[in-house]
Amino acid sequence: DQQVKQNSPSLSVQEGRISILNCDYTNSMFDYFLWYKKYPAEGPTFLISISSIKDKNEDGRFTVFLNKSAKHLSLHIVPSQPGDSAVYFCAASQGGTSYGKLTFGQGTILTVHP
Amino acid sequence: DTEVTQTPKHLVMGMTNKKSLKCEQHMGHRAMYWYKQKAKKPPELMFVYSYEKLSINESVPSRFSPECPNSSLLNLHLHALQPEDSALYLCASSQGWTATNEKLFFGSGTQLSVL
Repeated sequence: DQQVKQNSPSLSVQEGRISILNCDYTNSMFDYFLWYKKYPAEGPTFLISISSIKDKNEDGRFTVFLNKSAKHLSLHIVPSQPGDSAVYFCAASQGGTSYGKLTFGQGTILTVHP
Repeated sequence: DTEVTQTPKHLVMGMTNKKSLKCEQHMGHRAMYWYKQKAKKPPELMFVYSYEKLSINESVPSRFSPECPNSSLLNLHLHALQPEDSALYLCASSQGWTATNEKLFFGSGTQLSVL
């Protein structure tokens, strides 16, 4: 049972345009969501997060939107840069005794063309 | 210092070998984790240590044995592994159970190949 889903395996965007990466979840107990960026043979790098009490969080070029009723979140990158090309993972946690246990989506490969 | 350091970066071992993976952080974090990532798959949690005590074991086979000697160090002892255990092993740390909304910081991982 895949509780966190990223249905787009890949996304290709032109430099300077907006990249939108999507993530859906099924577990209504998830209350904290994170986006990580990963290069091959390296560990995931934390990008941005959002608590379930918010619907938007912004950090520079990165904005995460959360729609709790739809169990959907998205990451917007504006403007996209070639250095943003990587695998992006959505992750979720539910606190309590599961604190720190992140459930990851399958990842979306973002390619930003110059 | 915001780094989680893992050694070695690469490891090749036979099925009868005993080896250890090491992880270190100096951010004062009190929770540390081992994740496993197979190729083209998301990371999956193996173990969680909180304040140097094992708090979560995700039904990991006993051929993987974690150890947390102190709050900065985390080891993963490997013995009698199988070829299907070949993967990228990721260590992570976070502030600790007393903090809400834990952000995990990951190391670069150890790429393990079992022959």
